[in-house]
Amino acid sequence: GAVVSQHPSRVICKSGTSVKIECRSLDFQATTMFWYRQFPKQSLMLMATSNEGSKATYEQGVEKDKFLINHASLTLSTLTVTSAHPEDSSFYICSARGSVGYEQFFGPGTRLTVL
Amino acid sequence: DAKTTQPPSMDCAEGRAANLPCNHSTISGNEYVYWYRQIHSQGPQYIIHGLKNNETNEMASLIITEDRKSSTLILPHATLRDTAVYYCIVRVASLVETSYDKVIFGPGTSLSVIP
Repeated sequence: GAVVSQHPSRVICKSGTSVKIECRSLDFQATTMFWYRQFPKQSLMLMATSNEGSKATYEQGVEKDKFLINHASLTLSTLTVTSAHPEDSSFYICSARGSVGYEQFFGPGTRLTVL
Repeated sequence: DAKTTQPPSMDCAEGRAANLPCNHSTISGNEYVYWYRQIHSQGPQYIIHGLKNNETNEMASLIITEDRKSSTLILPHATLRDTAVYYCIVRVASLVETSYDKVIFGPGTSLSVIP
């Protein structure tokens, strides 16, 4: 199947700093990318959907000014957590869907810890 | 809102078949049943999907009832590596209605395979 990568796999940062997480589709062009967040012992929660070249659509309750999403190319989307706080510590997972077909392929996730 | 109901946890003896049930009584005619699993601290992994016929692949079998209101995922010979959270999801999976097509996760079933 198609491969989606995320970088970094783990990041630790100080409170108040911003953190960027990259999501790449390695062998296909991703016209749509999805970002999820998962707290310990909870399910994945969809944060936002982004289409290449367009503004992201955020789910209810997700602050768009805090979680900046850029999908500038067909193989790369980035999620920037601005002014991170300890409550933003979570497992962030991206997913990508190509221009052909409707399957979503998931990345391995990024563990963010804010001190 | 989650469209599916699954038991929160199940145990299965190693080498035996694991049968994971899912209720989706409000499923629409154009919605597929998808199964994903998530091993601890990894991204979700696609297992299998179906519309109304039973499906089988190298990982599992999917049995969908005739009225499509419930389904069962069968892992024929469970191993310790099958210990994971299993998510049953219904989605449109349409090449046309892509704006409605997001993978929304419910709580899932935590399967423990016991030696």
